[in-house]
Amino acid sequence: SQTIHQWPATLVQPVGSPLSLECTVEGTSNPNLYWYRQAAGRGLQLLFYSVGIGQISSEVPQNLSASRPQDRQFILSSKKLLLSDSSFYLCAWSPAGGAGYTFGSGTRLTVV
Amino acid sequence: EDKVVQSPLSLVVHEGDTVTLNCSYEVTNFRSLLWYKQEKKAPTFLFMLTSSGIEKKSGRLSSILDKKELSSILNITATQTGDSAIYLCAVGRSDKLIFGTGTRLQVFP
Repeated sequence: SQTIHQWPATLVQPVGSPLSLECTVEGTSNPNLYWYRQAAGRGLQLLFYSVGIGQISSEVPQNLSASRPQDRQFILSSKKLLLSDSSFYLCAWSPAGGAGYTFGSGTRLTVV
Repeated sequence: EDKVVQSPLSLVVHEGDTVTLNCSYEVTNFRSLLWYKQEKKAPTFLFMLTSSGIEKKSGRLSSILDKKELSSILNITATQTGDSAIYLCAVGRSDKLIFGTGTRLQVFP
């Protein structure tokens, strides 16, 4: 069966520090991978998605970047965090073609 | 620009009430409409709808899609305090999932 792992669960980082959040999927190949961000009490905003290794689509301009170095690995990064980057970040995957989505457990990022 | 709009933004009811949550969309290359329930962390899947007019049911929850009106509703009957959550509607394309802003439901005893 397929599983998705996202870590860490919580993170407190100072302003200006770098960020790396990792997401991996097991039990499938060539998944579509996604990074979402959610402000408190709000819906999910799609940040990046990837349909293959090295293929990254960015939905909104921001202080973040994403990379897909391996088929089932998706990384969210920042060189210098801003206070406004504080949020709840969710990774998700779907089979190629987009039918059915599964979310990771999320990372609560607080920038101080 | 693709968009998914949910209403109401928030809802406060008493246990036993029936609620209807709305979702409308304007999305190119529509493949499916999904409903999720989110309590503390990651959203949990409720329904995926692809065909118009066919109701999906799971216990006290049901949902239906109207492709002509580009909308869907999620019904919860005999609400319980455990139904308190954010309910998210999302429209799936072949490449990505686009979420609405969610409806926050609070059920009081």
